[in-house]
Amino acid sequence: GAGVSQSPSNKVTEKGKDVELRCDPISGHTALYWYRQRLGQGLEFLIYFQGNSAPDKSGLPSDRFSAERTGESVSTLTIQRTQQEDSAVYLCASSSRPEWHSYNEQFFGPGTRLTVL
Amino acid sequence: GESVGLHLPTLSVQEGDNSIINCAYSNSASDYFIWYKQESGKGPQFIIDIRSNMDKRQGQRVTVLLNKTVKHLSLQIAATQPGDSAVYFCAVSGPHAGNNRKLIWGLGTSLAVNP
Repeated sequence: GAGVSQSPSNKVTEKGKDVELRCDPISGHTALYWYRQRLGQGLEFLIYFQGNSAPDKSGLPSDRFSAERTGESVSTLTIQRTQQEDSAVYLCASSSRPEWHSYNEQFFGPGTRLTVL
Repeated sequence: GESVGLHLPTLSVQEGDNSIINCAYSNSASDYFIWYKQESGKGPQFIIDIRSNMDKRQGQRVTVLLNKTVKHLSLQIAATQPGDSAVYFCAVSGPHAGNNRKLIWGLGTSLAVNP
């Protein structure tokens, strides 16, 4: 079956520009997560959606970062006024179980590689 | 606060040898543990999980061991193959602030398999 998809796969932008990253979770998965992964580093949690609401935004690094989810499906992560330190791979994951569930395996997309020049 | 760490950032093994990747966690209330594999240019992929009511679980060429006493988790890969070269992450789930649950991710161990 279809997995998690993300677009674009690569994005090169100039410092100061806004970017939108898209995530299509597995159909029926109510939980959706965004992570950031800098080169050679681990996963940095950004935000968690349960349905269309975001009960945990604690990982968003600044007010330049925002995310929304509509129709309990697609999510977009928006970075305004991009900075060079925003360069990273942005990973999206979905799960059929809410974060509060005991066992919540996450299924990951391939990521969007963002390069800010 | 909660943390999950890995003892070694990199591990190099010979093809055919067994690999052991370790993970330590800090929250004794953690009750679900997952290992993910991330190949270059791809998102993490689930390998195996274990619940806190078990201390060992086996999959195909992989075994996860859980020692709750010392809060330690390991992933063993038998007869390591070049295709096993990847970064391996442990993730730990347990009660978080406000009794919400959260997956806490380790930093990752890079496994390099030498032919």
